[in-house]
Amino acid sequence: GQQVMQIPQYQHVQEGEDFTTYCNSSTTLSNIQWYKQRPGGHPVFLIQLVKSGEVKKQKRLTFQFGEAKKNSSLHITATQTTDVGTYFCAVLRAQKLVFGQGTRLTINP
Amino acid sequence: ETGVTQTPRHLVMGMTNKKSLKCEQHLGHNAMYWYKQSAKKPLELMFVYNFKEQTENNSVPSRFSPECPNSSHLFLHLHTLQPEDSALYLCASSREFRDTGELFFGEGSRLTVL
Repeated sequence: GQQVMQIPQYQHVQEGEDFTTYCNSSTTLSNIQWYKQRPGGHPVFLIQLVKSGEVKKQKRLTFQFGEAKKNSSLHITATQTTDVGTYFCAVLRAQKLVFGQGTRLTINP
Repeated sequence: ETGVTQTPRHLVMGMTNKKSLKCEQHLGHNAMYWYKQSAKKPLELMFVYNFKEQTENNSVPSRFSPECPNSSHLFLHLHTLQPEDSALYLCASSREFRDTGELFFGEGSRLTVL
């Protein structure tokens, strides 16, 4: 069954608008990773969060790990057309990396 | 750009064919993985190899047969596939199995089964 829930499944925004995707787990996570997959491409690692309440930034991207280490979010400020793609969270389950369903982001220029 | 190379990039095969997908990593990693990505499902882990030893077979049908001759090369042998096996097959590597570091993915092999 679904081990990590990622929402929304799809998001369409106007260029310049913000975007957020969420990843939720029913159990406490040791860490969480985020990946981006461009259309026609392969997943590329973005970041790993380990500490409770951790916040990390990469330019316009802000990653958060919840205090209870059961959820995480990726927020993009002022989206650009280069942000198009599918964003996946991935969590460690029984020593295996399990991916969420992904949030597909499309942008209207 | 990627340190993980997959061939072929595209493959079309009939249900009675035998073909193989190849993956090579140039990163000095010890763990290699096969993932399946289809339109309606998230990335599904198929097999894990750590130091050439298979550590995980995620209930994959026997028509998929992995081979790992060394820690740099990984193959996926395909035989008597079904149309529902059409998908993007992604190879990945990491420093170690059980290492919580990042996965490095290849560009994938797009498989179509007729």
